[in-house]
Amino acid sequence: EAGVTQFPSHSVIEKGQTVTLRCDPISGHDNLYWYRRVMGKEIKFLLHFVKESKQDESGMPNNRFLAERTGGTYSTLKVQPAELEDSGVYFCASSQRALLAVLAFGPGTRLTVL
Amino acid sequence: AQKITQTQPGMFVQEKEAVTLDCTYDTSDPSYGLFWYKQPSSGEMIFLIYQGSYDQQNATEGRYSLNFQKARKSANLVISASQLGDSAMYFCAMRGGSFGNEKLTFGTGTRLTIIP
Repeated sequence: EAGVTQFPSHSVIEKGQTVTLRCDPISGHDNLYWYRRVMGKEIKFLLHFVKESKQDESGMPNNRFLAERTGGTYSTLKVQPAELEDSGVYFCASSQRALLAVLAFGPGTRLTVL
Repeated sequence: AQKITQTQPGMFVQEKEAVTLDCTYDTSDPSYGLFWYKQPSSGEMIFLIYQGSYDQQNATEGRYSLNFQKARKSANLVISASQLGDSAMYFCAMRGGSFGNEKLTFGTGTRLTIIP
């Protein structure tokens, strides 16, 4: 079974540019999560999809971040326009059940905004 | 609201010794799950062990065991016979058992370094 995959693995962009991160969850996992770890800080929840619906987007920092999961399969996270403080590692995770289940994480996308 | 506290930012341990990584938690959910993840220098998040709040016995997975003390709200990770490959960041996390609390909440992590 393939794990959670993320693309790209690294992205370096300039302030003001747009970046789109992609996550492909494990097949059959309805629950998809985005997390972010800014340098040296804790891993913070961004949002949770159940299939194509946003279940919880309370962790999205501001309206420069837009997440989609059309068709309930892969998800994208777009940052537009990117700011310096958006630099960090963005993780995607998925699980079959919502409650108490183990989250399988992707390898992360390291975003650097210059 | 859920909260995870890891009070050890860094630890140095001699190879082959056992190590305990501390984790305390707070939640209002009667049902919850506790997790430990390992993040090596390569960056991926590797699931290590899970403990359910109603599990009677402490979870074990190979060299990893979880010392779950419900009354104290602690879920310490014990690694026996540490190896050089255990050097990594370790995150304690919890997930609630009620809708609205299903997101995983992480602690700040402990950087473990195994010394040869």
